Amino acid sequence: GAGVSQSPRYKVAKRGQDVALRCDPISGHVSLFWYQQALGQGPEFLTYFQNEAQLDKSGLPSDRFFAERPEGSVSTLKIQRTQQEDSAVYLCASSRARFGLASRRASTDTQYFGPGTRLTVL
Amino acid sequence: DQQVKQNSPSLSVQEGRISILNCDYTNSMFDYFLWYKKYPAEGPTFLISISSIKDKNEDGRFTVFLNKSAKHLSLHIVPSQPGDSAVYFCAASEETSGSRLTFGEGTQLTVNP
Repeated sequence: GAGVSQSPRYKVAKRGQDVALRCDPISGHVSLFWYQQALGQGPEFLTYFQNEAQLDKSGLPSDRFFAERPEGSVSTLKIQRTQQEDSAVYLCASSRARFGLASRRASTDTQYFGPGTRLTVL
Repeated sequence: DQQVKQNSPSLSVQEGRISILNCDYTNSMFDYFLWYKKYPAEGPTFLISISSIKDKNEDGRFTVFLNKSAKHLSLHIVPSQPGDSAVYFCAASEETSGSRLTFGEGTQLTVNP
């Protein structure tokens, strides 16, 4: 079956420009995550959706970052007035796991990552 | 504040030998740990995980060991193969924050033929 897909794969933006990054999760996956990976670093959590509900946005670095998942499937990460420090790879991941259940984690918690979008802000 | 640390940026081993990748964490609330492998221009791929109620989990050539008292985990790959050459990320999560993952910086493993 198809994995997580992201588009565009590469994006070059001028400083101050708005960008929109798309994520298509694995069909049927309830949970969707966005991570930011700076050069030479590990991915850092940005935000999390369970279906269409954004349950955690504590990792978004500023109010210029906005994410949505209006129908509980495709998600878009929007960055307004991009700055050079926004240059990074933006990774999307999805999983079957559902927050809030009493059961301990099982293999359904595995997050499957897309190939990422490399954003370069000039 | 780096809660998950991989102190070795790179590791080089000979084909057929054991590769040992290490990871340390500081947050005692972490209760689930994972290893991901990443090739260039691809997203991280899940390898193996371990819950804090265990101290070892094995899957084929890959074994993860967890030492909770030392807040340390390691990934053993034996025997190592050239196709294992990639960046390996250690990640952790705590149940109270759901499934969000906290990653280490990664270790570049090179397996020489």
